[in-house]
Amino acid sequence: GAVVSQHPSRVICKSGTSVKIECRSLDFQATTMFWYRQFPKKSLMLMATSNEGSKATYEQGVEKDKFLINHASLTLSTLTVTSAHPEDSSFYICSARVWDEQFFGPGTRLTVL
Amino acid sequence: GDSVTQMEGPVTLSEEAFLTINCTYTATGYPSLFWYVQYPGEGLQLLLKATKADDKGSNKGFEATYRKETTSFHLEKGSVQVSDSAVYFCALIQGGSEKLVFGKGTKLTVNP
Repeated sequence: GAVVSQHPSRVICKSGTSVKIECRSLDFQATTMFWYRQFPKKSLMLMATSNEGSKATYEQGVEKDKFLINHASLTLSTLTVTSAHPEDSSFYICSARVWDEQFFGPGTRLTVL
Repeated sequence: GDSVTQMEGPVTLSEEAFLTINCTYTATGYPSLFWYVQYPGEGLQLLLKATKADDKGSNKGFEATYRKETTSFHLEKGSVQVSDSAVYFCALIQGGSEKLVFGKGTKLTVNP
């Protein structure tokens, strides 16, 4: 099946710094990728839809200037958390769409001190 | 808006026990329904799906039937194994949309 990777799997940073998370489709090309955020004991919340070569579409309530998404190629999308604060600590998951199915990465655990 | 409600976990069973994880949904129209599974340290994987009322999705011994009258999509397995230990997510997607709406997930632990 299609494989999606994320890097890093875990990151700890200081408040005020920026963190970049990469999402790669390893054996297929994805015109559309999705970024989710998961809080403990809560469902995955869609943050944004990322389309290759165009601006991301953000869900209501998600700050686009804080969560920068770049989908520069058919196999790579990045999420940059700018000026991170402790409340940004969470589990971030990406997925890539192939036809009518989404394939998910293993997630990135972000901890902001 | 659309939503998915799953039974609260965690669920702990002995090997070969019967499993049911309840899932109900609220949605306009006729969504497609999914069960995803997340094994420790891995990404979510599609377990099974159903696209219309009365459809039954099945995979790896798991089954779920799309019940429109009760807006439910309960996951069942007749005899669980230790290797089934994972977090299970129920989800829906509306026709014409690419946005998945997830339940909160149910953690299953199967003991030998």
